[in-house]
Amino acid sequence: EDQVTQSPEALRLQEGESSSLNCSYTVSGLRGLFWYRQDPGKGPEFLFTLYSAGEEKEKERLKATLTKKESFLHITAPKPEDSATYLCAVQEADSWGKLQFGAGTQVVVTP
Amino acid sequence: EPEVTQTPSHQVTQMGQEVILRCVPISNHLYFYWYRQILGQKVEFLVSFYNNEISEKSEIFDDQFSVERPDGSNFTLKIRSTKLEDSAMYFCASSESISGRARDEQFFGPGTRLTVL
Repeated sequence: EDQVTQSPEALRLQEGESSSLNCSYTVSGLRGLFWYRQDPGKGPEFLFTLYSAGEEKEKERLKATLTKKESFLHITAPKPEDSATYLCAVQEADSWGKLQFGAGTQVVVTP
Repeated sequence: EPEVTQTPSHQVTQMGQEVILRCVPISNHLYFYWYRQILGQKVEFLVSFYNNEISEKSEIFDDQFSVERPDGSNFTLKIRSTKLEDSAMYFCASSESISGRARDEQFFGPGTRLTVL
C-alpha cells in the first residue's frame, strides 16, 4: 500500500495561473515531510521540510503547508521556469533517514 | 555552494558484471543514502549509512548490493552481478542530521544512469 499519494499526476497551467498540488500520507509517526523539484534526467532538488501540522514555508512563488494527513504545495503566479516534476516524500519518526517518495506531479507552465 | 557529486554520469554494463557507482557527499554531512529511480517510476530508497555502517536498508538492497565509505570523502555503491532490472538512475544523497528539527534535508547528486544489457 502506497504511503505517499500525490495528485494530480499532471498539471498544465498558463503563466500566472495559480494552483495547488496535494500530497497525502499515511505513516504511523511523521518526522518530516519534504518537497523536492525534479527536472528531467536530474536529481531531486530540495525545496522545503515541514515538521508539524500547521507549519508553512515559502520560497519565491512556492508555499508549502502541512496538516496531519496531507501537505499542499501552492504555486502562485507560476512562470515557465517553474515547469518540473514536484516530489513529496515522508520520513518516519523511527527511520534512519529513509525518504518514501510519492510518484510526483508533473507541472507544465505555458507562456 | 556545496553539492553532492557522482561519477560516472552514465555506465553501460553487461548482465552479470560488477559495477561500482561513486559519490562524494557534502563534506560536513554525516548521513549518506542511495536511491534509485527506474525510468518513469518513483524514487525508491535503497540504503542509509551512518558512522561507517548500514543503518537501514530496503528489500531491494539484497546480497548483490553493498556500500562502502573507503576514505573520508567517497561513498560507493557496488552491484556484484548486475541484472537487466537493475537498469535505473541511481542517486546518492547526504544530510547533516536526522533530528526532526532542522538540517534534515537530503541533498541529492545528479545521478548515475546505469544501463544493463
